[in-house]
Amino acid sequence: AQKITQTQPGMFVQEKEAVTLDCTYDTSDQSYGLFWYKQPSSGEMIFLIYQGSYDEQNATEGRYSLNFQKARKSANLVISASQLGDSAMYFCAMSRSGNTPLVFGKGTRLSVIA
Amino acid sequence: DAGITQSPRYKITETGRQVTLMCHQTWSHSYMFWYRQDLGHGLRLIYYSAAADITDKGEVPDGYVVSRSKTENFPLTLESATRSQTSVYFCASTRARQGRNTEAFFGQGTRLTVV
Repeated sequence: AQKITQTQPGMFVQEKEAVTLDCTYDTSDQSYGLFWYKQPSSGEMIFLIYQGSYDEQNATEGRYSLNFQKARKSANLVISASQLGDSAMYFCAMSRSGNTPLVFGKGTRLSVIA
Repeated sequence: DAGITQSPRYKITETGRQVTLMCHQTWSHSYMFWYRQDLGHGLRLIYYSAAADITDKGEVPDGYVVSRSKTENFPLTLESATRSQTSVYFCASTRARQGRNTEAFFGQGTRLTVV
């Protein structure tokens, strides 16, 4: 079975600073995908970034990057130059290859302070 | 507009009543999912569907029924609502793609309260 662990229930970061949200995962599969989603206070789920288990380079999408350490089974999200609009709940998730359902962590609530 | 829509957005129902949450997507995605979100639990999978007439249980299926007679619709029914089913329900879909995982696209969510 797959499992995602997010150990930080809440975090604070100063505006314009970088922040790392932790995510560790457990799976016996060789091929899998890792995802991060953002959920602002309005409630919608917004896809941020994806990392495949065989991707050699860390994924980046604008101010988001995924620090993928396969041997440690970690997939931390790094947000550079935090903005007030980054305040939200962030979920790490994973799935086996293909279209298998996502398994989610419990989330980290990020608060950006001016 | 194209996308995935859920209805209703908010629903209050009484214990023991049957209630159906609707989900409709316009992308013709093969896969559709129902999750519930509860404080302290993240999102947990209730049911999913790989195609019309193909459904499978997720982590927390008890008390729920799904059907998928058409690719674009995936309704979730609570046969006899209980207070423990008070939650925010998300529908999601993904397109079929071989070789790599695909991100799930989510509806806006339905906030269900069982009193």
